[in-house]
Amino acid sequence: GAVVSQHPSRVICKSGTSVKIECRSLDFQATTMFWYRQFPKQSLMLMATSNEGSKATYEQGVEKDKFLINHASLTLSTLTVTSAHPEDSSFYICSASGGRAGGELFFGEGSRLTVL
Amino acid sequence: AQKVTQAQTEISVVEKEDVTLDCVYETRDTTYYLFWYKQPPSGELVFLIRRNSFDEQNEISGRYSWNFQKSTSSFNFTITASQVVDSAVYFCALSAPRGYNKLIFGAGTRLAVHP
Repeated sequence: GAVVSQHPSRVICKSGTSVKIECRSLDFQATTMFWYRQFPKQSLMLMATSNEGSKATYEQGVEKDKFLINHASLTLSTLTVTSAHPEDSSFYICSASGGRAGGELFFGEGSRLTVL
Repeated sequence: AQKVTQAQTEISVVEKEDVTLDCVYETRDTTYYLFWYKQPPSGELVFLIRRNSFDEQNEISGRYSWNFQKSTSSFNFTITASQVVDSAVYFCALSAPRGYNKLIFGAGTRLAVHP
C-alpha cells in the first residue's frame, strides 16, 4: 500500500482562490518532504524542501509567498497555492524521506490542479 | 552543478523488441545515488531502482536491466522483450545526499510499445 498519500488527487478552482494540498506519510516519520511541480509532458521540477518544524527552503525562481509550505508534524506537509491563476495549473507531487541519506524516498500519488 | 540528461524524448517500439533508455548525469559529488522511475498515464511515480555511486554492478530484475558506468557517467536502462504495459514515461534521477534527499530529474523518455 501507499506509504505517502496526497490529497486531493484532483482539484479544480477558480482564478484568485487558494488551494491546499496535503502530503502525509502513513507509516513512518518524515523529517523531510519535498514538493515537485510537473507541467504537461515535462519533467518534475523541485519547488521546495520542507523540514519538520522549520521554514521551507525554496528553489530558485519559486515564489515563497505564492506557494506556502507548512510542515507542522512529522507526518504532514501542506502546500498552499495562494491566489491561484491558470498558469499555476500543474501536477504537484510530494516525496517524503525518513532521514536516511540517499534513499528510502517515497512519492505521493500526485495532485492535479486546474485553475479556471 | 548537477544535471541529468535523457537525450531520447520519445521511443516507439513493437512488442517483444528490446529497448534501451539512456541516462547521462553530471555531479561533482563523490557520493550520490541514481534512480529510475516509471510514470504511467495515471501520473504516479513507480520506483524501479536505486543505485549508489560505489556500486557499479549491473542489475537485472526480470525483463529490466541497468548498466551503470561511472567512466562515462551513464546509467542506462534496458527493457527486454517489451510489452504494451511498459508504455510510460521513464525518468532517470540523481540524488546528492548533503543532508537532503532532493532528486534532480532528467527530462524523461516517453516509451510507446505497440502491439
